[in-house]
Amino acid sequence: DIQMTQSPSSLSASVGDRVTITCQATEDIPNSINWYQQKSGKAPKLLIYEASNLETGVPSRFSGSGSGRVFTFAISSLQPEDFATYYCQQYLNFPLTFGGGTKVDIK
Amino acid sequence: QVKLQESGPGLVKPWETLSVTCTLSHGSIINNYWSWIRQSPGKAPEWIGYIHDSGNTEVYYRQTTNYNPSLEGRATISVDRSKNQFSLRLTSLSGADTATYFCARLVDAFDIWGHGTMVIVSS
Repeated sequence: DIQMTQSPSSLSASVGDRVTITCQATEDIPNSINWYQQKSGKAPKLLIYEASNLETGVPSRFSGSGSGRVFTFAISSLQPEDFATYYCQQYLNFPLTFGGGTKVDIK
Repeated sequence: QVKLQESGPGLVKPWETLSVTCTLSHGSIINNYWSWIRQSPGKAPEWIGYIHDSGNTEVYYRQTTNYNPSLEGRATISVDRSKNQFSLRLTSLSGADTATYFCARLVDAFDIWGHGTMVIVSS
């Protein structure tokens, strides 16, 4: 199975801060990675697909980059509604696997 | 706008079989990949499996499934075309199966999700 390691597992930030999250795969997955946001008690929501493509309706402050094994997810200016947990997920091979998550909370 | 809604029993006993259903609104079950994903409290989501129904009338070519080996053969996903539903059956339950079970559409990414149904395994 392809393992996805996210870092950090949690971070504290203020409104307006730039936030970056890293996901590293155990093998080369070209650009086969998606990013999700999950708020407490809700289903995950797709934000970024195929490493860098913004899902329809998602604000442009969210972005994704990277290829191969190391990927970055960024929020350019953190907004109050962005406090949540974020997950990466690879889809190159089955079983589809998620990273362990990064919880973003208020500093 | 396609919508998904899960339904499940809430509480099941160890060693029993779980059945949860996902009902699709404003879309067709045919020619899409439908997945089940679960999430234990405080943990990352875990993909369970998917089903694809081609709509072919030949039984052999009709449906394709793929499951996470971590479930050790305990999971079965099926489609009911007449009800526009797909279902998950999970056998030999233990406390490790306590989780929120989500259904989702898979198009390389999980782009549409249901709200989830919480399942607790306890005697």
